Amino acid sequence: EAGVAQSPRYKIIEKRQSVAFWCNPISGHATLYWYQQILGQGPKLLIQFQNNGVVDDSQLPKDRFSAERLKGVDSTLKIQPAKLEDSAVYLCASSLGLAGDTDTQYFGPGTRLTVL
Amino acid sequence: AQSVSQHNHHVILSEAASLELGCNYSYGGTVNLFWYVQYPGQHLQLLLKYFSGDPLVKGIKGFEAEFIKSKFSFNLRKPSVQWSDTAEYFCAVNFNDYKLSFGAGTTVTVRA
Repeated sequence: EAGVAQSPRYKIIEKRQSVAFWCNPISGHATLYWYQQILGQGPKLLIQFQNNGVVDDSQLPKDRFSAERLKGVDSTLKIQPAKLEDSAVYLCASSLGLAGDTDTQYFGPGTRLTVL
Repeated sequence: AQSVSQHNHHVILSEAASLELGCNYSYGGTVNLFWYVQYPGQHLQLLLKYFSGDPLVKGIKGFEAEFIKSKFSFNLRKPSVQWSDTAEYFCAVNFNDYKLSFGAGTTVTVRA
């Protein structure tokens, strides 16, 4: 079974530039998550999709971050404009989207963003 | 607010030593508990999980964890570590919804 795919793996940009990350979840997984992992911290959820609808974006800085999952499969996370504090690893995860509490998330390799 | 605490930031030990990593959470309700591992250069992988039933759960690669509800803890153990267990370990908790809250992680270095 193919895992969660992400691209690019690394990105270096200057502050105030824009950047986009792509994620393709495991086939058949209805739920897709984007996390931000700052060095020395655990991943923090930014946004969660169920199919093509947003379930939770309460921790997404909406003034500069946006995400979409238009066809309910792959997803794009964008930052515009980037700030120095956005330097982090951006992780995508997916799960079957089971009802209740037994869902397990599977993670992609992440995109390491450096903002100069 | 609900939180997840991992007691050790960095653990260094020799091969064949026993490992125990602490994880505590702050929430009195129903929780689902996970340990994830990230080997150098690899992505986060599920090590084991607890949803209900036997509080002692066994995962991959000889790891196990014990859920102690009264202590709000879910500690990870391995009786005898190998050099290949060098990795970062994350405890994660689902606080009665589908959000995962992660601890800050513990880096484990096993010396050959």
